[in-house]
Amino acid sequence: DAKTTQPNSMESNEEEPVHLPCNHSTISGTDYIHWYRQLPSQGPEYVIHGLTSNVNNRMASLAIAEDRKSSTLILHRATLRDAAVYYCIYNYGQNFVFGPGTRLSVLP
Amino acid sequence: DTAVSQTPKYLVTQMGNDKSIKCEQNLGHDTMYWYKQDSKKFLKIMFSYNNKELIINETVPNRFSPKSPDKAHLNLHINSLELGDSAVYFCASSQTAAVRSGNTIYFGEGSWLTVV
Repeated sequence: DAKTTQPNSMESNEEEPVHLPCNHSTISGTDYIHWYRQLPSQGPEYVIHGLTSNVNNRMASLAIAEDRKSSTLILHRATLRDAAVYYCIYNYGQNFVFGPGTRLSVLP
Repeated sequence: DTAVSQTPKYLVTQMGNDKSIKCEQNLGHDTMYWYKQDSKKFLKIMFSYNNKELIINETVPNRFSPKSPDKAHLNLHINSLELGDSAVYFCASSQTAAVRSGNTIYFGEGSWLTVV
């Protein structure tokens, strides 16, 4: 079973910021938090990951709560191409366990 | 060049047939995976190989047999196909098997298998 909890779906307007939340209350102190997304009819692709500090890359920012029990993926300006299912995951044993993720719709 | 490539992209076959899906990665990674995504869109790991050695074998029928001729290839062979095997199968790879270290997994584009 997935160890994270995410909203089933979210909507955003184009050009506006999007904050995608994730709860991971059972995460251990050494587990990285990973975000992947899956565009329609494609394989999942890496978005960002972090351990304790907030992280930024060209795709997104990751804000990690101080107690590490939750995190938020931030898309600074949503585009139509960002419409996808976003997965928040961390390792379970030797591998990642993907939950149902959050389906993000971007409205023009 | 595609980092993780798998073939075929689409496969329609009859129940009872045997089929294979091939996967190759040109990233120089040590670890490769097979994931299955069913009609409900849940993505579940099936197998993981590290340097040609099997390290993860989830509860998968033994009709599914992975084969890794070298660390750049991980093929999936399925015997006696059943209707329930219809799904999208994703091959993936990562630098090492050390998931805890923050490894990134690179996925292929998927192979759509339909069993009729």
